[in-house]
Amino acid sequence: SYVLTQPPSLSVSPGETAGITCGGNNIGSKSVHWYQQKPGQAPVRVIYLDSERPSGIPDRFSGSNSGNTATLTISRVEAGDEADYYCQVWDSRSDYLAFGGGTKLTVL
Amino acid sequence: QVQVQESGPGLVKPAETLSLTCSVSGGSTTRSDYYWGWIRQPPGKGLEWIGSVYFSGSTHYNPSLKIRVSINTDTSKNKFFLKLTSVTAADTGVYYCARIASTGNYLLSWGQGILVTVSS
Repeated sequence: SYVLTQPPSLSVSPGETAGITCGGNNIGSKSVHWYQQKPGQAPVRVIYLDSERPSGIPDRFSGSNSGNTATLTISRVEAGDEADYYCQVWDSRSDYLAFGGGTKLTVL
Repeated sequence: QVQVQESGPGLVKPAETLSLTCSVSGGSTTRSDYYWGWIRQPPGKGLEWIGSVYFSGSTHYNPSLKIRVSINTDTSKNKFFLKLTSVTAADTGVYYCARIASTGNYLLSWGQGILVTVSS
């Protein structure tokens, strides 16, 4: 199975930029998707296909993917962005849908 | 808007079989542009893919669960199902069903989740 590595936690102040990384072997050759999960709720997709935003997701959310690291960037962080964030890929070599371990974003 | 909703028992005894149903509304389980999956989340932990079923009926499973899992569909009822045998306390968690895009393999929509506790 394919392994995705995320930092367990990240803290930022309101108005700053948060960069959440997702590491994987040659992840740049795969499509990466990102989900936001708030306590007691189902995850919500915030970025798909590396950098596409679903309707209703603010343009403060952006994504990039190259080499062995994909990054979810949240600009002008707000208190409401505090949540767990998960990256996800499909590994076609092993027919496996992989999630990263999740990053807890704390807004100070 | 295609929606999915989990249902089933919230309490299962150790060594028994966990059985959940996902009901699909606003769409068809026979479409080829998306497929269906189950994901779970132990308390306080991250997301784990359990497996997926395609419009053809073919399946993919997480290797760590493969010998205990089966996922199938009932297209006449627009539902799909999860069975997980020989459960232990480690199988306790919130179980989500989801719709997954065939192109790109990203989760289009999730159910609200159902908490399943394994306990005697």
